[in-house]
Formats: sequence, structure tokens, C-alpha cells
Amino acid sequence: GENVEQHPSTLSVQEGDSAVIKCTYSDSASNYFPWYKQELGKRPQLIIDIRSNVGEKKDQRIAVTLNKTAKHFSLHITETQPEDSAVYFCAANSGGSNYKLTFGKGTLLTVNP
Amino acid sequence: EAGVTQFPSHSVIEKGQTVTLRCDPISGHDNLYWYRRVMGKEIKFLLHFVKESKQDESGMPNNRFLAERTGGTYSTLKVQPAELEDSGVYFCASSRGLADEQFFGPGTRLTVL
Repeated sequence: GENVEQHPSTLSVQEGDSAVIKCTYSDSASNYFPWYKQELGKRPQLIIDIRSNVGEKKDQRIAVTLNKTAKHFSLHITETQPEDSAVYFCAANSGGSNYKLTFGKGTLLTVNP
Repeated sequence: EAGVTQFPSHSVIEKGQTVTLRCDPISGHDNLYWYRRVMGKEIKFLLHFVKESKQDESGMPNNRFLAERTGGTYSTLKVQPAELEDSGVYFCASSRGLADEQFFGPGTRLTVL
């Protein structure tokens, strides 16, 4: 089955700096890659996703890149703010028309004011 | 629109007891997923309903877990009898179409003593 590895497990940055979280996946049939943000005590919320027919997607300060050949995708947050502090999860579906998600172990991002 | 709701938010039970978790998806969402996060580990897929039918239950740990979605609306996940290793946060998610965003509920934190 699908396996998703996520790094780093923790990341601490200064406000205004950029943060990058990287994930790799194993199933070449995967074609949907969402990123979820979970603030303390709250539910995971989708912040951005990318499908395998594009290599990059951007939404304001957040961008995701996908390299299908290497089977890795990354989340980039620019101009970080304290409210970006949360656990971020990457995920991949099981390919084709199967949309069950396999998650990475999460990255605890701390943005220091 | 109202989000995905789950009940209870917390449950503490003794080993050997039975617990039933409930999930109410967003109205009109045919797809309903159950996931579980054991402390410190990744969020793992349990099963997927399309309307009232089990589409994929490959993630269910064993036959102590029983999920139902009668009428294709809300879903229940029963654990009987509960074991210590069942402790964790159980998330429910729903999506309108198969390839659409999965919206997560707030989770049920289950503690088995």
C-alpha cells in the first residue's frame, strides 16, 4: 500500500521567514496530494492540495510543488506569522479512483514572534 | 453550512467495555471516512462509505470494530470489546464527490484504561 514520509517532524522559524515541509510517497498511482493544518485542539483543515496533472500550485503565502518522477511534494509557507503555528500533515490518495488518504506523521511548526 | 460533527468529544472507558462513536457528515456528502490517530503517530485510514455502502474497509484493525451508516446519513463506529491499544483520536471526514475535499470533524478522543 501507499507509504508517506514527512520531514521534518518539528520546525521552528522566526516570524517573516519561510518554512518548507517535505513529503515523499511510494505509490506511483497516487494522483491527489492534500495538505492539512491542525491547530491545537481543533480539527484538521485543508489548506491547499495539488493533483498530479500540475507541478505547482500557489495560494497567497502558501505553495505546493509536486515532482511525480521523484515521488515527492513540498509545502512552502512564505512570510510566516505566529498564527501559522500548528501541526501540518501531508497526505496522498491510493491512486486512480481510490481517495482514501495516507498521511505523513505531521510537522509541528512554531513561528516565533 | 454546518461542518462535520462528532459525538462524544471525549470518552473514557475501561478495557473490555463497549463504546459507540457517532459522526454526522455535511449534508449532501455521499462519502464518509473514518480515520484514527494513535498518540504520536500518523492519521490512519479505517474505512470509507459511499452512501450506506462500505466502499473500502481495509484499514479496520480487527473484528472488534464495526461501522455502520444506515440510510446513508450519519455513521457509527462501535468498538467491542475495547482494548488499551484502541486509545486515540477518531476522526470522521466527509466529501461530496469522490475526488472532492475531505472535511474533517473535530474528532473523538477515546481513552481505554
